[in-house]
Amino acid sequence: GAVVSQHPSRVICKSGTSVKIECRSLDFQATTMFWYRQFPKKSLMLMATSNEGSKATYEQGVEKDKFLINHASLTLSTLTVTSAHPEDSSFYICSAPGPRPGLGAFFGQGTRLTVV
Amino acid sequence: AQSVTQLGSHVSVSEGALVLLRCNYSSSVPPYLFWYVQYPNQGLQLLLKYTSAATLVKGINGFEAEFKKSETSFHLTKPSAHMSDAAEYFCAVSGLGGTSYGKLTFGQGTILTVHP
Repeated sequence: GAVVSQHPSRVICKSGTSVKIECRSLDFQATTMFWYRQFPKKSLMLMATSNEGSKATYEQGVEKDKFLINHASLTLSTLTVTSAHPEDSSFYICSAPGPRPGLGAFFGQGTRLTVV
Repeated sequence: AQSVTQLGSHVSVSEGALVLLRCNYSSSVPPYLFWYVQYPNQGLQLLLKYTSAATLVKGINGFEAEFKKSETSFHLTKPSAHMSDAAEYFCAVSGLGGTSYGKLTFGQGTILTVHP
């Protein structure tokens, strides 16, 4: 089946620094990828849609200058949390649509970000 | 617009008992429906999906779900719970294509606890 790899799985950073999270589709191409944020004991909230070769589409209320998304190739999307603050601490998960409609989406392993 | 409602944020069963996790959806078009499982600090794993073929869908780990259009439901069941089934379960809906392709809307999640 389709595999999506997300790295790192967990990261601790200091307030004010930036953190980059990578999401790769390993055995298929993904012109679109999705970034979700999951708060403790909550569901997944879609943050943005990453589009290969064009700007990301952000959901309402998501700061595009804080959460920079780059979809540099057909297999790689990155999310950079800029000037991180403790309130940015969360679990971030990426996904890519399956190679065919109806396969749903395949998810990365998630990244636990802790800002201290 | 599409939405998913999971009834019951927590479900507790005894090992060997029937598991029933409820999901109702709202969609203006025939939907694709999915159930995912999430273990702590991990990404989401696809359990099963409905894509307008058979209404009774069988998935991994002995789970199955039945699509009932008249009830707009897609409840997840397993005849006999195992301790390893303890996790959080998410019901999700997606559109059929275009900008909705692979973009999932999740329910609130249901935490399943299995007692010995």
